[in-house]
Amino acid sequence: DTGVSQNPRHKITKRGQNVTFRCDPISEHNRLYWYRQTLGQGPEFLTYFQNEAQLEKSRLLSDRFSAERPKGSFSTLEIQRTEQGDSAMYLCASSLGDRESYGYTFGSGTRLTVV
Amino acid sequence: AQTVTQSQPEMSVQEAETVTLSCTYDTSESDYYLFWYKQPPSRQMILVIRQEAYKQQNATENRFSVNFQKAAKSFSLKISDSQLGDAAMYFCAYRSYGNQFYFGTGTSLTVIP
Repeated sequence: DTGVSQNPRHKITKRGQNVTFRCDPISEHNRLYWYRQTLGQGPEFLTYFQNEAQLEKSRLLSDRFSAERPKGSFSTLEIQRTEQGDSAMYLCASSLGDRESYGYTFGSGTRLTVV
Repeated sequence: AQTVTQSQPEMSVQEAETVTLSCTYDTSESDYYLFWYKQPPSRQMILVIRQEAYKQQNATENRFSVNFQKAAKSFSLKISDSQLGDAAMYFCAYRSYGNQFYFGTGTSLTVIP
């Protein structure tokens, strides 16, 4: 287990299509986070899980977005009816425990392009 | 909401020289944590250094050190003896008693051979 893995690395989709991304965190990390990063901006929080429970969702996460972490291991982020404004890098991160001093371990991201 | 500001979109430094990246933040909380992350092109974000707000001593990690000024809400990163591998986007981040980080917009660092 060498880190946080995200698949696919790149996704090009037509507007209106649905897409799903996968994140495999570090195995012993119980917390998993999704962030979105647009060009020229820092990452923005979308949602996070503690084990299988989704405990917090950003208002950035519209009804077209859904995230799951069914067994407390990997997570999926689905975007339905994609729009051009959804084009961004989607970052997954994981951490162990709830200490605020902990940093995250990030994955390499999935770059989504909606055409 | 907390905000993190990085006022330098781009910086450059000669190899082996020292460069300082600026970061300011806004918060009403007294206990929090500050981080610098490095994001090389097309690669994942890596934690460079962290600072606990309750600690007066500035954090240091090898060639990387911070200047933490709590009253001024300033958290700058100093990179000494810059190397070509230091070229990346650097993000300042804030975290408090919650589960999300607040990131700045980043500073793109170029290292000139």
